[in-house]
Amino acid sequence: DGGITQSPKYLFRKEGQNVTLSCEQNLNHDAMYWYRQDPGQGLRLIYYSQIVNDFQKGDIAEGYSVSREKKESFPLTVTSAQKNPTAFYLCASHDRLRYNEQFFGPGTRLTVL
Amino acid sequence: AQKITQTQPGMFVQEKEAVTLDCTYDTSDPSYGLFWYKQPSSGEMIFLIYQGSYDQQNATEGRYSLNFQKARKSANLVISASQLGDSAMYFCAMRERNSGYSTLTFGKGTMLLVSP
Repeated sequence: DGGITQSPKYLFRKEGQNVTLSCEQNLNHDAMYWYRQDPGQGLRLIYYSQIVNDFQKGDIAEGYSVSREKKESFPLTVTSAQKNPTAFYLCASHDRLRYNEQFFGPGTRLTVL
Repeated sequence: AQKITQTQPGMFVQEKEAVTLDCTYDTSDPSYGLFWYKQPSSGEMIFLIYQGSYDQQNATEGRYSLNFQKARKSANLVISASQLGDSAMYFCAMRERNSGYSTLTFGKGTMLLVSP
């Protein structure tokens, strides 16, 4: 089955530690995205990537970093510089030539203690 | 200015009734697409329906239909015959096709509660 996997589903970290969230897709999609969702809020774009070895900052990139070394993988690192890292993180992807779809992973809920 | 506005933080509907969730958008791009997603308490984002700016007909997918009023920049979701399983957050989103990287912009969402 094709899809997007994110691991782990729940993640706990101590304040001041960097943490990397995994996102893998086997849909052969070029474009991948990271969103952050706070309770009762919509999704805000952190970073996106249209092709391998290229990525762009979204609306709230400060305190986050990404890499895109492989087409199927787009890991997100939440650094200690992110002031309020506790949130729900969603990874998404789509075929750049198909504007009428975007697929999401199941999400990772990060709690920083 | 907000690109996607969902003015209803919460909506209540009785089972088997129809409900309309409002969404207005703002863009100067003539080519865009509008999406609706459902997010149950588990957190997954479930795609419901899509409407392209050049589509002549309103989109429909089973019990979901999109009331697209282009001149008013409105893309309301209509759920017919509500079911208890429809209780969830609903998000409207827009993709502007000529904006470069075609990212999705989301509204803040509407929480729908369906009562027996």
